[in-house]
Amino acid sequence: NAGVTQTPKFQVLKTGQSMTLQCAQDMNHNSMYWYRQDPGMGLRLIYYSASEGTTDKGEVPNGYNVSRLNKREFSLRLESAAPSQTSVYFCASSGGDSYSPLHFGNGTRLTVT
Amino acid sequence: RKEVEQDPGPFNVPEGATVAFNCTYSNSASQSFFWYRQDCRKEPKLLMSVYSSGNEDGRFTAQLNRASQYISLLIRDSKLSDSATYLCVVNDPRGSYIPTFGRGTSLIVHP
Repeated sequence: NAGVTQTPKFQVLKTGQSMTLQCAQDMNHNSMYWYRQDPGMGLRLIYYSASEGTTDKGEVPNGYNVSRLNKREFSLRLESAAPSQTSVYFCASSGGDSYSPLHFGNGTRLTVT
Repeated sequence: RKEVEQDPGPFNVPEGATVAFNCTYSNSASQSFFWYRQDCRKEPKLLMSVYSSGNEDGRFTAQLNRASQYISLLIRDSKLSDSATYLCVVNDPRGSYIPTFGRGTSLIVHP
């Protein structure tokens, strides 16, 4: 029972490089989310997708793009990485109603030099 | 004012102690609340959903106080393995129920 799978686990980029973080869930969840976590800042929402075919900005969307490829997959793209995007990134999914909790992937540790 | 606020701690307690954390939220229309546990920046894991009547799971008790807009987590008989960061999550009722996190409360249980 895989739950939420994120790849890669670790990544080092140089400033200006691009990359895509992949996320897939096998729980038939409607909603998917991308968060970043920085020391002392808690988890901040980057983008979310309430259902297949829709995406919306969260609290800190600048510098990111997302794609809800199908119901299972939600990817996060950094077009031109900056040192300020050094962080731990978590993908999560939920049933999408008010009482559904989040299920998280293992996280991606990204360093931009 | 942040939407969801928690005392960052750390709360430093001996094994066997009882410890309680509060989390305040700003949106009075919020309807669903959760406590998550996070170890060493691993992924957060659901600890408890918080129901309006309060709920208990072993040594853990969660309470909701709508009038004062806070939720609480009580841990009885603390174990070393309870050392972690505890995250409060409130589902924003606007639009698509966006989960909003507090910054977390750090708990250290020592022998």
